[in-house]
Formats: sequence, structure tokens, C-alpha cells
Amino acid sequence: AQSVTQLDSHVSVSEGTPVLLRCNYSSSYSPSLFWYVQHPNKGLQLLLKYTSAATLVKGINGFEAEFKKSETSFHLTKPSAHMSDAAEYFCVVSGGGGYNKLIFGAGTRLAVHP
Amino acid sequence: KAGVTQTPRYLIKTRGQQVTLSCSPISGHRSVSWYQQTPGQGLQFLFEYFSETQRNKGNFPGRFSGRQFSNSRSEMNVSTLELGDSALYLCASSSPQRGLAGAPGEQFFGPGTRLTVL
Repeated sequence: AQSVTQLDSHVSVSEGTPVLLRCNYSSSYSPSLFWYVQHPNKGLQLLLKYTSAATLVKGINGFEAEFKKSETSFHLTKPSAHMSDAAEYFCVVSGGGGYNKLIFGAGTRLAVHP
Repeated sequence: KAGVTQTPRYLIKTRGQQVTLSCSPISGHRSVSWYQQTPGQGLQFLFEYFSETQRNKGNFPGRFSGRQFSNSRSEMNVSTLELGDSALYLCASSSPQRGLAGAPGEQFFGPGTRLTVL
């Protein structure tokens, strides 16, 4: 069965400093992995996705993530945080079989301080 | 293209009632998935419909049901509402990802319907 674990429920950074949101996954086969962001009172937006192509994935708004099979990790990073990055971030794995069943992590709430 | 739309945006019901939520996917998308988001359980997959057929289902009781119409619009129904059904219900639509057989397409989420059960 597929699952994801987000290692931090809350992360707080200062504006202009790097962001690291950690995610480990468990999958019985080569997974499809995603990061989604949810701003307050808004729907989910896809930041980036990994589907067995390049292991370093670049997404929107300067975010990127690296798929590391040996560590079963898919951490999300950004070199310099912006106030508008404050939101909840979800690491997600596809349930497999080509179907659209997404399995979400518990989420990491990112706070950005001036 | 217009995004995924969900109606209504807010609902208040009482225990024992039933409710129907609606989702209109992005034009051309044939897959519609439903998710429940609660503070305690997080985001959980309810079911997915493709070409009017349910092809995947999450671990929810039979009180939760859905359907999809020929124009790909989807509805979900919750009968005999319980307090624990209070949640944000999200709908997502997708189309198959070209070039990667079996890979899930990107899912586009609607803003959700916030259901409160009193």
C-alpha cells in the first residue's frame, strides 16, 4: 500500500530564508509523487509532480523537490521564502493503477515571518 | 478554460438529513474524484468516476455515494448525516497524462463545499 509521512506539522521561517518541507513515502512500486499547496479558504493547487522522469523536479513559484529512492524521500525546497508562501503544503502519492486516487500526507503548515 | 466549479459553496444541515453536492469538471476532463477534508482525518479519497462509472472507491460507509452524468458533471450524496460528516468536500477533475501509460493525470481541484452538520 502507498503512504506518505510529512515529518513536520509546522514550519516557521523568516522571509528571504530557505524553506525545507520534508516528506517520506512508502510504495510497493515506482510511485508518482506530488506536492500541493492550499491557501486559506482556497482549493488545492499543484506545485510539482514526479512521475519517473528527472529526479529533480521544478515547480511553480520557485519550488523544487528531489526524488531520492534510496531514502524514500521527496522533500520540497525553495531558496528564499516569500510572505505569500504561507500556506499548508501536502505531500501526495498516487494510489496507483493509473487511477486518480491520491493519498495525502497530514500536511505541513508553513509560516513566513517578516 | 474555466476551472472546476462546485456548488453550493456552503451548506448547513442537521443530523439525519441528506445532502447532494455538485461538481462541474474542466471542459474535456472525464475523470472526477471526490475528497473529504477534516481537521482530524485530513484529506481522504472518497471515490472516482470516469465515463459515468465508479472505478475507484475509498474507505467510507455506504451513506456516501456518487454518480457522474454523460457531460462528466458529478454529484455526491450523503444520506443520514452525522456530526462527523462536517467537512470540506473537494472535487477534482483530470484527463489522462499523455505519453505515460498508467500514470495519473494532473488533478485540478475546485474550491470545495463546506458542509456543516448541526
